[in-house]
Amino acid sequence: ILNVEQSPQSLHVQEGDSTNFTCSFPSSNFYALHWYRWETAKSPEALFVMTLNGDEKKKGRISATLNTKEGYSYLYIKGSQPEDSATYLCAFYAGKSTFGDGTTLTVKP
Amino acid sequence: EAQVTQNPRYLITVTGKKLTVTCSQNMNHEYMSWYRQDPGLGLRQIYYSMNVEVTDKGDVPEGYKVSRKEKRNFPLILESPSPNQTSLYFCASSPTGGYYGYTFGSGTRLTVV
Repeated sequence: ILNVEQSPQSLHVQEGDSTNFTCSFPSSNFYALHWYRWETAKSPEALFVMTLNGDEKKKGRISATLNTKEGYSYLYIKGSQPEDSATYLCAFYAGKSTFGDGTTLTVKP
Repeated sequence: EAQVTQNPRYLITVTGKKLTVTCSQNMNHEYMSWYRQDPGLGLRQIYYSMNVEVTDKGDVPEGYKVSRKEKRNFPLILESPSPNQTSLYFCASSPTGGYYGYTFGSGTRLTVV
């Protein structure tokens, strides 16, 4: 069973704060790393597909980096807004997907 | 609109009463999968299908059945539901395998009493 760990488990920030969280995964047999955003009462939505060591992806105020050699990916949110409140999931793909437990972000106005 | 449609959204049933959760996608995706989500356990794969008439077990297949007779549909069948199958279920699809990530359905909250 592959181990995909996300930290922290939850995070509370004030509006305007920048924040980041981590996804750790096995450094061998890497195919792809996916980030999803999962709002309460909705389904997970794909944010980024990351495939190459050193990848950096950006969508608005959200960006992600990938280090496949050491087995981690960071997700950054710049200037958090209340609408960023959600659970952020990562999934390690190596022929099949293994999901982390997610980081739940709450942004207070 | 490209989407994965799951029904029902909520279901309460009794132990032993067979039920089916439907899943349909309109993106011509080859790969479809079912997951269950339980607190502290993350998303766990139940069954998946690489294409029509090709299905395989995921990590937690016990107590579930699936079929893939058409490319767009991938129903999840619980022949004799038990309380430990109370969970949040998601259907997901992908163009091929899961390399490019998934499109998820809206989820089905199942309670077995």
